[in-house]
Amino acid sequence: TQLLEQSPQFLSIQEGENLTVYCNSSSVFSSLQWYRQEPGEGPVLLVTVVTGGEVKKLKRLTFQFGDARKDSSLHITAAQPGDTGLYLCAGFGSNDYKLSFGAGTTVTVRA
Amino acid sequence: DTGVSQDPRHKITKRGQNVTFRCDPISEHNRLYWYRQTLGQGPEFLTYFQNEAQLEKSRLLSDRFSAERPKGSFSTLEIQRTEQGDSAMYLCASSRDRETIYFGEGSWLTVV
Repeated sequence: TQLLEQSPQFLSIQEGENLTVYCNSSSVFSSLQWYRQEPGEGPVLLVTVVTGGEVKKLKRLTFQFGDARKDSSLHITAAQPGDTGLYLCAGFGSNDYKLSFGAGTTVTVRA
Repeated sequence: DTGVSQDPRHKITKRGQNVTFRCDPISEHNRLYWYRQTLGQGPEFLTYFQNEAQLEKSRLLSDRFSAERPKGSFSTLEIQRTEQGDSAMYLCASSRDRETIYFGEGSWLTVV
């Protein structure tokens, strides 16, 4: 079992502030994905990172994949209330069919 | 809407009853997954189909759980003799390749 640990578990910030969510593992992943989930809904894919050291930007969101492909981070600049949600990282091992998820980080952005 | 569709969205059942959830994947997606998610946790893998073949099952999928995907299109997840511990959101997802997986909105199960 490949375990993904996310930190922090909860994050509450004021609108306009920046935040970073971390996803770490002792295992190597062939790719990592970030999802955002709202209460009562399914996860929505934000990005997939596949190359060690890769950085992807999606408007105010910046995703980074560690050089060793064991960790990733999500940075949100100038957070808005609409960014509120559960952020999940997930990854495939080299020969896995299944996507393994972390426990998630609950982000609350206060207006 | 051409996303992953799940039905029913909510189900309340008495302990001991059987329940069945249906998932309609995105058209032409040959990969289909079932996950279970409880409050405060990330989704946990249950099972994976490639076309009609069930290629992997989690240890979480006890003998009371069965999943099928006849003809490689829609899929059903049946839980027999439900227990209170089965209360969770059951998520279906589909993909054409391994890296881009789309989830449905989930089916909430409450066992009373």
